[in-house]
Amino acid sequence: DIVMTQTPLSLPVTLGQPASISCRSSQSLVHSDGNTYLNWLQQRPGQPPRLLISKISNRFSGVPDRFSGSGAGTDFTLKINRVEAEDVGVYYCAQATQFPWTFGQGTKVEIK
Amino acid sequence: EVQVVQSGGGLVQPGRSLRLSCTTSGFTFGDYAVSWFRQAPGKGLEWVGFIRSKVYGETTEYAASVKGRFTVSRDDSKSIAYLQMNSLKTEDTAMYYCTRYGGTFDYWGQGTLVTVSS
Repeated sequence: DIVMTQTPLSLPVTLGQPASISCRSSQSLVHSDGNTYLNWLQQRPGQPPRLLISKISNRFSGVPDRFSGSGAGTDFTLKINRVEAEDVGVYYCAQATQFPWTFGQGTKVEIK
Repeated sequence: EVQVVQSGGGLVQPGRSLRLSCTTSGFTFGDYAVSWFRQAPGKGLEWVGFIRSKVYGETTEYAASVKGRFTVSRDDSKSIAYLQMNSLKTEDTAMYYCTRYGGTFDYWGQGTLVTVSS
């Protein structure tokens, strides 16, 4: 199975400041079709997960442009340009390149 | 508007069965795969199972933890997917989510809670 490792696991941030979450996979996430199926999801307290970004850097419909994804191969990053109060929650990276699909442990973002 | 609405959770005794439903609207259900995930209380997300669309033979994939006990199916005429859970264990207690999948898991249901306890 592909192991997904996120850092940090806890991220206190100041409103208006940037934030960054790293996700590393135990093997390359490049699929045989050439795509890299690395996703980022947000889970606000008491809510179901919500897709933010697919295939490393494609923002899903309705996702603010302060969220961006980057990376390649085994190393990926989610950046929040200027953190807002509504960004509080847990962020997960998830790979859908190879079954079983696997998730990172989650990074809890909170306001300082 | 794409909608994914789940139903069927509840309290069940160990060893018993339960079927979850995932009712969708707002898109051509038959063109998409469906995936199921779960989240134990206070824990992270875990992938459970997946069913491809008819054009790909409605073939399925399962996590090792549920293989042989859980079955994912679909009824394209009703735009509904199902998760049949047999031989339930206490460790299956979780919030279960279904999602549409068309290259990514973009639309999620609201979740349905399954509690396995005697």
